[in-house]
Amino acid sequence: NAGVTQTPKFQVLKTGQSMTLQCAQDMNHEYMSWYRQDPGMGLRLIHYSVGAGITDQGEVPNGYNVSRSTTEDFPLRLLSAAPSQTSVYFCASSHLDHSGRRGYEQYFGPGTRLTVT
Amino acid sequence: SQQGEEDPQALSIQEGENATMNCSYKTSINNLQWYRQNSGRGLVHLILIRSNEREKHSGRLRVTLDTSKKSSSLLITASRAADTASYFCAGVYGKLTFGQGTILTVHP
Repeated sequence: NAGVTQTPKFQVLKTGQSMTLQCAQDMNHEYMSWYRQDPGMGLRLIHYSVGAGITDQGEVPNGYNVSRSTTEDFPLRLLSAAPSQTSVYFCASSHLDHSGRRGYEQYFGPGTRLTVT
Repeated sequence: SQQGEEDPQALSIQEGENATMNCSYKTSINNLQWYRQNSGRGLVHLILIRSNEREKHSGRLRVTLDTSKKSSSLLITASRAADTASYFCAGVYGKLTFGQGTILTVHP
């Protein structure tokens, strides 16, 4: 199993540009999520999904869109990049617990380091 | 804002010593998880403790949970230089919400 894969590893954007960060998992996990990590801020949840066709907002969703058309893929779209979105982005996945709403142990991808100038 | 807060923010010890990190959270949780992050890498899950458990062990790791004080601790015994990393607690309140982490440095 490849686990959770993310592309690209590094990206530099100019303010106002748009782009999509890719995330894929091959573990048949129902739950997928996107986090951003900034120095001194820990990880903050951007968006998450409990299954194909279902997405919801996390703590810091503004400026980002997601979709979940398949179980395997969960792309994150930056609509109009801003310098405040300079960060390291992590995708994670897990199975759901018995409630069908909460993830168990998360498996993380290696991250995408994004710089917006 | 983060629901989990780790303490201390940084910890420096010698190889062979024990390392204790603490985590406090604000709202009721379903479970609490600890993760490790090596510099420049993704997070790796270490251990999960459910809200009805008080203590859990995994190898050199010992986690405790006190729901009345809304706190948890992670103890790493007989630390090694390879344990140098950042450690995060994450509370599941429906979503997984991370604290800011403790940077552990183990000197050989």
